Amino acid sequence: ILNVEQSPQSLHVQEGDSTNFTCSFPSSNFYALHWYRWETAKSPEALFVMTLNGDEKKKGRISATLNTKEGYSYLYIKGSQPEDSATYLCALYYYGQNFVFGPGTRLSVLP
Amino acid sequence: DAGITQSPRHKVTETGTPVTLRCHQTENHRYMYWYRQDPGHGLRLIHYSYGVKDTDKGEVSDGYSVSRSKTEDFLLTLESATSSQTSVYFCAIRADSTSTDTQYFGPGTRLTVL
Repeated sequence: ILNVEQSPQSLHVQEGDSTNFTCSFPSSNFYALHWYRWETAKSPEALFVMTLNGDEKKKGRISATLNTKEGYSYLYIKGSQPEDSATYLCALYYYGQNFVFGPGTRLSVLP
Repeated sequence: DAGITQSPRHKVTETGTPVTLRCHQTENHRYMYWYRQDPGHGLRLIHYSYGVKDTDKGEVSDGYSVSRSKTEDFLLTLESATSSQTSVYFCAIRADSTSTDTQYFGPGTRLTVL
């Protein structure tokens, strides 16, 4: 089973701060990376899907980049708001396998 | 929101008893998945289905079985529940198998095995 890592495990930021976290993964046989946002007591919801090296995606204040050669993706949140508090999961799709999820980064935005 | 329901939403049972969890979808998606979520592990795949009566094992399949007799229903059975199977179980669906196709998750079932 391939190992997908996310860092940090958790972080607390003040409202208005910008923040970023990392998803690291083995880069061989890579097909696609999915980012999910998971609020407490809810289900994970898809944020982005990225496939190509250098891909950048943006949705409002949240953006993501992908480096398939070195095996990492960054998720950025600009001007964090309390409603951004959630766990952010990355999931990798590899040839011959289903999704492999990272353990998540839990973000708390303090008002 | 994708039409996915899970039942029951909460269950407490005793060690050694059989338990069946149900996932129901109204999207007519081909692929269905069962995951468990435990602290520090994210989501781990138990079993998945790629069509009616077509299922396969995931990363943590020991102690679990599944069945899919209709497109809309995917059942997860714990033949003899153990305390290590205390977890939150999520069902997910996906329309096809391309790498970019998104999974949609159900609301989860919290299972406690005493």
